[in-house]
Amino acid sequence: EAEVAQSPRYKITEKSQAVAFWCDPISGHATLYWYRQILGQGPELLVQFQDESVVDDSQLPKDRFSAERLKGVDSTLKIQPAELGDSAMYLCASSLAGVEQYFGPGTRLTVT
Amino acid sequence: KQEVTQIPAALSVPEGENLVLNCSFTDSAIYNLQWFRQDPGKGLTSLLLIQSSQREQTSGRLNASLDKSSGRSTLYIAASQPGDSATYLCAGGFQGAQKLVFGQGTRLTINP
Repeated sequence: EAEVAQSPRYKITEKSQAVAFWCDPISGHATLYWYRQILGQGPELLVQFQDESVVDDSQLPKDRFSAERLKGVDSTLKIQPAELGDSAMYLCASSLAGVEQYFGPGTRLTVT
Repeated sequence: KQEVTQIPAALSVPEGENLVLNCSFTDSAIYNLQWFRQDPGKGLTSLLLIQSSQREQTSGRLNASLDKSSGRSTLYIAASQPGDSATYLCAGGFQGAQKLVFGQGTRLTINP
Protein backbone atom coordinates (compact mmCIF):
# COMPACT_ATOMS: atom_id res chain seq x y z
CA GLU A 1 0.00 0.00 0.00
CA ALA A 2 1.38 3.42 -0.97
CA GLU A 3 2.34 5.69 1.90
CA VAL A 4 3.52 9.23 2.51
CA ALA A 5 7.20 9.20 3.48
CA GLN A 6 8.83 11.74 5.81
CA SER A 7 12.34 12.17 7.12
CA PRO A 8 13.85 12.51 9.56
CA ARG A 9 11.48 10.95 12.07
CA TYR A 10 13.09 12.80 14.96
CA LYS A 11 15.20 15.94 15.06
CA ILE A 12 16.82 17.73 17.98
CA THR A 13 18.33 21.12 17.28
CA GLU A 14 19.50 24.12 19.22
CA LYS A 15 17.64 27.40 18.95
CA SER A 16 18.88 29.71 16.20
CA GLN A 17 19.98 26.74 14.08
CA ALA A 18 18.47 25.82 10.73
CA VAL A 19 16.43 22.64 10.28
CA ALA A 20 14.80 20.99 7.26
CA PHE A 21 12.17 18.32 6.82
CA TRP A 22 11.44 16.25 3.74
CA CYS A 23 8.20 14.72 2.47
CA ASP A 24 7.49 12.37 -0.43
CA PRO A 25 3.73 12.11 -1.12
CA ILE A 26 1.86 9.15 -2.51
CA SER A 27 2.66 8.81 -6.20
CA GLY A 28 0.25 10.78 -8.35
CA HIS A 29 -1.11 12.94 -5.54
CA ALA A 30 -1.09 16.52 -6.78
CA THR A 31 -1.98 18.16 -3.48
CA LEU A 32 0.52 18.24 -0.63
CA TYR A 33 0.02 19.71 2.84
CA TRP A 34 2.33 20.53 5.74
CA TYR A 35 0.68 20.65 9.18
CA ARG A 36 2.13 21.45 12.60
CA GLN A 37 0.81 19.69 15.69
CA ILE A 38 1.66 21.00 19.13
CA LEU A 39 1.46 18.41 21.88
CA GLY A 40 -2.12 17.89 23.03
CA GLN A 41 -3.67 19.81 20.14
CA GLY A 42 -4.97 19.05 16.68
CA PRO A 43 -2.80 19.69 13.61
CA GLU A 44 -2.93 23.12 11.96
CA LEU A 45 -2.15 23.79 8.32
CA LEU A 46 1.09 25.59 7.56
CA VAL A 47 1.15 25.39 3.76
CA GLN A 48 -0.70 23.68 0.92
CA PHE A 49 0.66 22.95 -2.56
CA GLN A 50 -1.18 22.10 -5.74
CA ASP A 51 1.53 20.58 -7.92
CA GLU A 52 4.43 23.03 -7.53
CA SER A 53 2.28 26.05 -6.67
CA VAL A 54 1.46 27.33 -3.20
CA VAL A 55 -2.32 27.41 -2.69
CA ASP A 56 -2.44 28.50 0.96
CA ASP A 57 0.41 29.68 3.17
CA SER A 58 -1.58 32.12 5.26
CA GLN A 59 -0.54 30.44 8.54
CA LEU A 60 3.14 29.98 7.63
CA PRO A 61 5.46 32.24 9.69
CA LYS A 62 7.26 33.52 6.64
CA ASP A 63 9.98 35.34 8.56
CA ARG A 64 11.49 31.99 9.53
CA PHE A 65 9.65 29.22 7.66
CA SER A 66 9.90 28.37 3.97
CA ALA A 67 8.52 25.53 1.91
CA GLU A 68 9.10 24.38 -1.64
CA ARG A 69 7.92 21.71 -4.01
CA LEU A 70 10.06 22.44 -7.03
CA LYS A 71 9.05 19.61 -9.36
CA GLY A 72 5.59 19.09 -7.97
CA VAL A 73 6.55 15.83 -6.30
CA ASP A 74 8.49 15.84 -3.03
CA SER A 75 8.65 18.83 -0.72
CA THR A 76 10.95 20.44 1.83
CA LEU A 77 9.96 22.55 4.83
CA LYS A 78 12.71 24.67 6.37
CA ILE A 79 12.95 26.64 9.60
CA GLN A 80 15.69 29.22 10.05
CA PRO A 81 16.35 30.18 12.77
CA ALA A 82 14.56 27.65 14.97
CA GLU A 83 12.94 28.91 18.17
CA LEU A 84 11.91 27.04 21.32
CA GLY A 85 8.26 27.45 20.39
CA ASP A 86 8.80 25.53 17.16
CA SER A 87 9.03 22.25 19.09
CA ALA A 88 6.17 20.18 17.67
CA MET A 89 5.27 17.32 15.33
CA TYR A 90 5.44 18.31 11.67
CA LEU A 91 3.07 16.27 9.55
CA CYS A 92 2.93 15.94 5.79
CA ALA A 93 -0.20 14.80 3.97
CA SER A 94 -1.21 14.29 0.37
CA SER A 95 -4.45 13.85 -1.53
CA LEU A 96 -5.44 12.87 -5.04
CA ALA A 97 -8.33 15.25 -5.62
CA GLY A 98 -8.32 17.39 -2.49
CA VAL A 99 -10.76 15.12 -0.70
CA GLU A 100 -9.36 12.34 1.49
CA GLN A 101 -5.96 13.19 2.98
CA TYR A 102 -3.30 10.62 3.79
CA PHE A 103 -0.71 11.45 6.42
CA GLY A 104 2.90 10.47 6.85
CA PRO A 105 4.51 9.38 10.15
CA GLY A 106 5.60 12.91 11.00
CA THR A 107 8.84 14.51 12.16
CA ARG A 108 9.12 15.19 15.88
CA LEU A 109 11.16 18.41 16.34
CA THR A 110 12.69 19.37 19.68
CA VAL A 111 14.38 22.74 19.93
CA THR A 112 16.70 23.18 22.94
CA LYS B 1 -14.14 31.27 11.53
CA GLN B 2 -14.51 27.54 11.02
CA GLU B 3 -13.99 25.64 14.24
CA VAL B 4 -14.10 21.97 15.17
CA THR B 5 -14.54 20.88 18.78
CA GLN B 6 -14.19 17.50 20.44
CA ILE B 7 -15.49 16.85 23.93
CA PRO B 8 -14.41 15.22 26.18
CA ALA B 9 -10.65 15.57 25.88
CA ALA B 10 -10.18 12.16 27.49
CA LEU B 11 -12.37 9.10 27.98
CA SER B 12 -11.75 5.83 29.82
CA VAL B 13 -14.04 2.80 29.48
CA PRO B 14 -13.83 -0.91 30.28
CA GLU B 15 -13.14 -3.41 27.53
CA GLY B 16 -16.15 -4.67 25.61
CA GLU B 17 -18.27 -1.53 25.91
CA ASN B 18 -19.76 0.26 22.94
CA LEU B 19 -18.85 3.95 22.93
CA VAL B 20 -19.46 7.18 21.05
CA LEU B 21 -16.97 9.96 20.38
CA ASN B 22 -18.35 13.40 19.60
CA CYS B 23 -17.29 16.10 17.17
CA SER B 24 -19.01 19.44 16.52
CA PHE B 25 -18.35 22.11 13.90
CA THR B 26 -19.49 25.69 13.45
CA ASP B 27 -19.89 25.94 9.67
CA SER B 28 -22.68 23.98 7.98
CA ALA B 29 -20.91 24.47 4.62
CA ILE B 30 -18.89 21.35 5.27
CA TYR B 31 -18.11 19.15 2.27
CA ASN B 32 -16.50 16.25 4.12
CA LEU B 33 -15.52 15.07 7.58
CA GLN B 34 -12.66 12.71 8.28
CA TRP B 35 -11.96 10.70 11.43
CA PHE B 36 -8.37 9.80 12.29
CA ARG B 37 -6.60 7.69 14.86
CA GLN B 38 -3.24 8.78 16.32
CA ASP B 39 -1.06 6.57 18.50
CA PRO B 40 1.43 8.31 20.84
CA GLY B 41 4.25 9.94 18.90
CA LYS B 42 2.92 8.70 15.57
CA GLY B 43 1.27 10.13 12.50
CA LEU B 44 -2.44 10.07 11.68
CA THR B 45 -4.25 7.02 10.33
CA SER B 46 -7.43 7.72 8.39
CA LEU B 47 -10.37 5.74 9.72
CA LEU B 48 -13.44 7.01 7.87
CA LEU B 49 -14.33 9.77 5.43
CA ILE B 50 -17.91 11.04 5.15
CA GLN B 51 -18.84 13.19 2.19
CA SER B 52 -21.43 15.93 2.71
CA SER B 53 -23.94 13.98 0.62
CA GLN B 54 -23.64 10.98 2.95
CA ARG B 55 -25.05 10.50 6.44
CA GLU B 56 -22.79 7.72 7.65
CA GLN B 57 -19.92 5.40 6.83
CA THR B 58 -18.98 2.05 8.33
CA SER B 59 -15.73 0.11 8.56
CA GLY B 60 -15.64 -3.01 10.69
CA ARG B 61 -16.49 -2.07 14.28
CA LEU B 62 -16.49 1.65 13.44
CA ASN B 63 -19.44 3.73 12.30
CA ALA B 64 -19.30 7.47 11.70
CA SER B 65 -22.27 9.74 11.15
CA LEU B 66 -22.59 13.30 9.89
CA ASP B 67 -25.46 15.71 10.62
CA LYS B 68 -24.80 19.00 8.83
CA SER B 69 -27.91 20.71 10.17
CA SER B 70 -26.89 20.24 13.79
CA GLY B 71 -23.16 20.63 13.13
CA ARG B 72 -22.28 17.27 14.64
CA SER B 73 -20.49 14.05 13.82
CA THR B 74 -20.12 10.94 15.93
CA LEU B 75 -17.76 7.98 15.81
CA TYR B 76 -19.28 4.81 17.23
CA ILE B 77 -16.92 2.03 18.30
CA ALA B 78 -18.52 -1.33 18.97
CA ALA B 79 -17.15 -3.93 21.39
CA SER B 80 -14.12 -1.86 22.36
CA GLN B 81 -10.72 -3.54 22.77
CA PRO B 82 -7.52 -2.44 24.53
CA GLY B 83 -5.95 -2.03 21.08
CA ASP B 84 -8.46 0.75 20.38
CA SER B 85 -6.66 2.94 22.93
CA ALA B 86 -5.40 6.02 21.06
CA THR B 87 -6.27 9.64 20.37
CA TYR B 88 -9.14 10.09 17.93
CA LEU B 89 -9.26 13.27 15.86
CA CYS B 90 -12.03 14.57 13.65
CA ALA B 91 -11.36 17.08 10.90
CA GLY B 92 -13.68 19.03 8.63
CA GLY B 93 -13.13 20.08 5.05
CA PHE B 94 -15.13 23.22 4.33
CA GLN B 95 -16.24 24.79 1.07
CA GLY B 96 -13.78 27.29 -0.28
CA ALA B 97 -10.72 25.58 1.18
CA GLN B 98 -9.15 22.15 0.79
CA LYS B 99 -7.38 22.22 4.14
CA LEU B 100 -8.69 20.23 7.07
CA VAL B 101 -9.69 21.98 10.28
CA PHE B 102 -9.01 19.66 13.21
CA GLY B 103 -10.54 19.22 16.62
CA GLN B 104 -8.30 18.88 19.65
CA GLY B 105 -8.84 15.13 19.81
CA THR B 106 -10.26 12.70 22.38
CA ARG B 107 -7.74 10.49 24.14
CA LEU B 108 -9.43 7.09 24.54
CA THR B 109 -8.29 4.44 27.01
CA ILE B 110 -9.83 0.97 26.99
CA ASN B 111 -9.18 -0.83 30.26
CA PRO B 112 -8.79 -4.64 30.16
